Amino acid sequence: SQQGEEDPQALSIQEGENATMNCSYKTSINNLQWYRQNSGRGLVHLILIRSNEREKHSGRLRVTLDTSKKSSSLLITASRAADTASYFCATGGFSGGYNKLIFGAGTRLAVHP
Amino acid sequence: DTAVSQTPKYLVTQMGNDKSIKCEQNLGHDTMYWYKQDSKKFLKIMFSYNNKELIINETVPNRFSPKSPDKAHLNLHINSLELGDSAVYFCASSQARVGYGYTFGSGTRLTVV
Repeated sequence: SQQGEEDPQALSIQEGENATMNCSYKTSINNLQWYRQNSGRGLVHLILIRSNEREKHSGRLRVTLDTSKKSSSLLITASRAADTASYFCATGGFSGGYNKLIFGAGTRLAVHP
Repeated sequence: DTAVSQTPKYLVTQMGNDKSIKCEQNLGHDTMYWYKQDSKKFLKIMFSYNNKELIINETVPNRFSPKSPDKAHLNLHINSLELGDSAVYFCASSQARVGYGYTFGSGTRLTVV
């Protein structure tokens, strides 16, 4: 079964608005990562937040992590049409000591000009 | 220069055929992965190799056989293809230790007819 579940499944906003996507997971984690996937392309790593961190910023991206609630959010501020993509959270944990990511189902974001 | 490259990008084949997908990374990463993305965009890990050694082998039909001739290459061979194998297959690489993001290839869209 999937570790992470994103909410909402789809989000449609206007350019300039903020977009917030949420991710919930079930087991303990070492880190949580967010990826973007443009249509027909591979996934691109956006940001990683470790389990002992609560908030992280990268440009227009802000990620929060609440390990007590097993949830994370990704905020994209001042969205642009180019932000239209699917966004996935992935939980990072140990598999025999090795790096293993389990992905959620993704949120499809559409930003309209 | 492409960091993780997969070939072919598209693959259309008939049921029962055997096919291979190749993946190469020039990032110097120790670990490589195969993920399957279905029509609903769920990404599921299939295999992972660390420095040519199989470290993750999820519940995948034994018709799927990965091969890693060296740490920069991870190929996926599929025997007796079935309609349900139709999906996009992504190769990825990362540092071995937990806490690093993945770099994905652009995917191979496999269609079994």
